[in-house]
Amino acid sequence: ETGVTQTPRHLVMGMTNKKSLKCEQHLGHNAMYWYKQSAKKPLELMFVYNFKEQTENNSVPSRFSPECPNSSHLFLHLHTLQPEDSALYLCASSQDWDRLLSPLHFGNGTRLTVT
Amino acid sequence: AQSVTQPDIHITVSEGASLELRCNYSYGATPYLFWYVQSPGQGLQLLLKYFSGDTLVQGIKGFEAEFKRSQSSFNLRKPSVHWSDAAEYFCAVGAGRDAGGTSYAKLTFGQGTILTVHP
Repeated sequence: ETGVTQTPRHLVMGMTNKKSLKCEQHLGHNAMYWYKQSAKKPLELMFVYNFKEQTENNSVPSRFSPECPNSSHLFLHLHTLQPEDSALYLCASSQDWDRLLSPLHFGNGTRLTVT
Repeated sequence: AQSVTQPDIHITVSEGASLELRCNYSYGATPYLFWYVQSPGQGLQLLLKYFSGDTLVQGIKGFEAEFKRSQSSFNLRKPSVHWSDAAEYFCAVGAGRDAGGTSYAKLTFGQGTILTVHP
């Protein structure tokens, strides 16, 4: 496989459930990102990891908990979500966090529905 | 803080017609500008980027964009649209290093423009 792979593609969960989103990149990149894409809103940066260290938490509620065990894998653990958290969650990677010359490579996203 | 405005939420063109998608940005220094495309059910793919130099940049799939500092714009163009170009297009602006030398490589995205192509 190449590129950025996200699983699952679709997820429906109740507000009391606990689930996790997974992202894996096969590009040898050092930085990984979680973005939230809601209808009629710009893409929102949630978290950034560079060399497994979190460098950005964009005021995300604690019901979203990221985990980056190594530079190739990124998880987003979800618990006690709200219906307004329903969105497309996109994972991305880039060569380095602090170099804009290295563009973002996106996965296809996980479509999350909270019931 | 930087911001991006895409004034057109939805644009419809006929196949073979020319296309221009508008993007206006707000940023105090020289911006780093990007256009991404998102096909249904897919993630975002980089079309082109502008960092410096020639203000007309060429991208993939026959797209180009022109940076106009005086108008704070970075409009995307294509001379002849194909049905496969139907997608949502996002303009983004990124800051480089600030005056203090701190890296601030965050992208701010516009709300997107949905392109529909009629046969």
